[in-house]
Amino acid sequence: AQSVSQHNHHVILSEAASLELGCNYSYGGTVNLFWYVQYPGQHLQLLLKYFSGDPLVKGIKGFEAEFIKSKFSFNLRKPSVQWSDTAEYFCAVYHAGNNRKLIWGLGTSLAVNP
Amino acid sequence: NAGVTQTPKFQVLKTGQSMTLQCAQDMNHEYMSWYRQDPGMGLRLIHYSVGAGITDQGEVPNGYNVSRSTTEDFPLRLLSAAPSQTSVYFCASSYRDRVQYEQYFGPGTRLTVT
Repeated sequence: AQSVSQHNHHVILSEAASLELGCNYSYGGTVNLFWYVQYPGQHLQLLLKYFSGDPLVKGIKGFEAEFIKSKFSFNLRKPSVQWSDTAEYFCAVYHAGNNRKLIWGLGTSLAVNP
Repeated sequence: NAGVTQTPKFQVLKTGQSMTLQCAQDMNHEYMSWYRQDPGMGLRLIHYSVGAGITDQGEVPNGYNVSRSTTEDFPLRLLSAAPSQTSVYFCASSYRDRVQYEQYFGPGTRLTVT
């Protein structure tokens, strides 16, 4: 079965620290990749997405992610986190063979201490 | 343009009661879906619809019914509430041919079953 793995379940950082959240998927074909963010008490919103082209994609609020096809990975990065980045982050994968359904990772809870 | 709206925001039910969670979108999206979010389990797809009159089951459909009589509305019915259905429920929508691009989420309904 297709799956998405987020290796870090809980991450705690201090402000200005660098962030990297791992995401790996199991499907070997053409995929679309997403990171969604859920701030405390809010709904999920799209952070960034990859469809094709440049494997380094930039999203909102200074986040970026790199698609490495050979590693089936789509890791999320930010050079310097802020307290306002405290949220839950979800990786999701779409491929056409999955009947138009996204496959979601379990999420990573990020807490940034001021 | 209100996006995806959900009502109610909070609900407490007793075991065995039934209720309907409402979801509406004003973006003319064909694709709509319901997820439940539980700690440590990420997002799980309950039911989805690719257009009016068409619904299908997701990962965890038991205990829930849906219907899609209009493009705008996609209510989720709990037939006989159980404590295991205590969760946060999110509705999402997207264009049918673009579900792989981005899903728009509602604010969620926090349901407690006692």
